[in-house]
Amino acid sequence: AQTVTQSQPEMSVQEAETVTLSCTYDTSESNYYLFWYKQPPSRQMILVIRQEAYKQQNATENRFSVNFQKAAKSFSLKISDSQLGDTAMYFCAFMRAGNNRKLIWGLGTSLGVNP
Amino acid sequence: ETGVTQSPTHLIKTRGQQVTLRCSSQSGHNTVSWYQQALGQGPQFIFQYYREEENGRGNFPPRFSGLQFPNYSSELNVNALELDDSALYLCASSLGMGGSGYEQYFGPGTRLTVT
Repeated sequence: AQTVTQSQPEMSVQEAETVTLSCTYDTSESNYYLFWYKQPPSRQMILVIRQEAYKQQNATENRFSVNFQKAAKSFSLKISDSQLGDTAMYFCAFMRAGNNRKLIWGLGTSLGVNP
Repeated sequence: ETGVTQSPTHLIKTRGQQVTLRCSSQSGHNTVSWYQQALGQGPQFIFQYYREEENGRGNFPPRFSGLQFPNYSSELNVNALELDDSALYLCASSLGMGGSGYEQYFGPGTRLTVT
């Protein structure tokens, strides 16, 4: 069975600085997808960035980038130039490739951005 | 393009009652997944519907059931409510089984409280 671990329950960062959130996962699959989702106090889960396991290049979306280390089964999220609106819970999630595309989630990291 | 919508936003039920939660998928999406998110936890996969058929189920008892309609909207039904069913219920839609259909987009959730 696949598992996702986020070892940092809470983190904080000063506005405009950079922060990295950690995620590790366990799987015997070779083809899968990894995601970071953001859940602000409004509760809606928002897709931040995704990575296909077969791609060696790390995904980037504006101020958000990942460090994907397939052999180490590590998938960290870097947020550059942090903004107050980045304050939220951040969840790392895993999905097998194939027909049953369910997301398996970590427990989340609560990120606070301080002015 | 209309996003994923869910109704109601929140509701309160009594133990033993039954509840129906509704979800309208994003335009063009034919797959709906349901997740349960207990307070302070990551979401847990309940089940997924693809073109009106159940396409995978998580570790939830049979009193959790669902439907998907021809317009790809979906319902989650929970019978014989228990106190532990109190949670945020998230619906996500996606394009389906092919290619880029793995990205799931979430609605705002329904907060269910069982007393």
